[in-house]
Amino acid sequence: EVQLVESGGGLVQPGGSLRLSCAASGFIFSRYWMHWVRQVPGKGLVWVSYINGDGARTTYADSVKGRFTISRDNAKNTLYLQMNSLRADDTAVYYCARDSGSVTTFFDSWGQGTPVTVSS
Amino acid sequence: QSVLTQPPSVSAAPGQKVTISCSGSSSNIGNNYVSWYQQLPGTAPKLLIYDTNKRPSGIPDRFSGSKSGTSATLGITGLQTGDEADYYCGTWDSSLSGGVFGGGTKLTVL
Repeated sequence: EVQLVESGGGLVQPGGSLRLSCAASGFIFSRYWMHWVRQVPGKGLVWVSYINGDGARTTYADSVKGRFTISRDNAKNTLYLQMNSLRADDTAVYYCARDSGSVTTFFDSWGQGTPVTVSS
Repeated sequence: QSVLTQPPSVSAAPGQKVTISCSGSSSNIGNNYVSWYQQLPGTAPKLLIYDTNKRPSGIPDRFSGSKSGTSATLGITGLQTGDEADYYCGTWDSSLSGGVFGGGTKLTVL
């Protein structure tokens, strides 16, 4: 069974940093692209970033480009999101999601999410 | 402001049918497959439809997807109270080089 478990969320001051983790199990982690998606409580889903299987290719939403860094450790089956220069509008629940692994992009498994609150 | 446009809410009676629209552009829906996600209250999203009209294992055939041009539609027949949830469309945007979602549609089964 595919499992994705996020951790690392919490309360951080504006301008601060936080690193999220997503522990994967139940599948061959290195074979799949992985994504981060966030959701402000009561609002819609927003795609944040993706990384390919070997970590060589990454892409970011404009809203986080230059501040967030996605990475992965395939030996530890773990996905990361390093978030720097955090702003109030980064407050959201952050989900890691597995890409389907097919030619088309869709998210076939999701973690339970980890909440991030940016506030003084 | 989401890249894809969905109605904020839809409603119908148990047993009835409902459709949820998702409007985009040539850089996203027009040239890419669409997926749909169901988010029950307090839970993570769950894949409902992929490649525009395919259902993952375990998703009943009451759920269907279609696309025409730059718009996609999710259909749900035989509505049940357990279908009350937020529904999101999603796809890849070739111009943005990133994923995009609709703003979500809240389904109420009256």
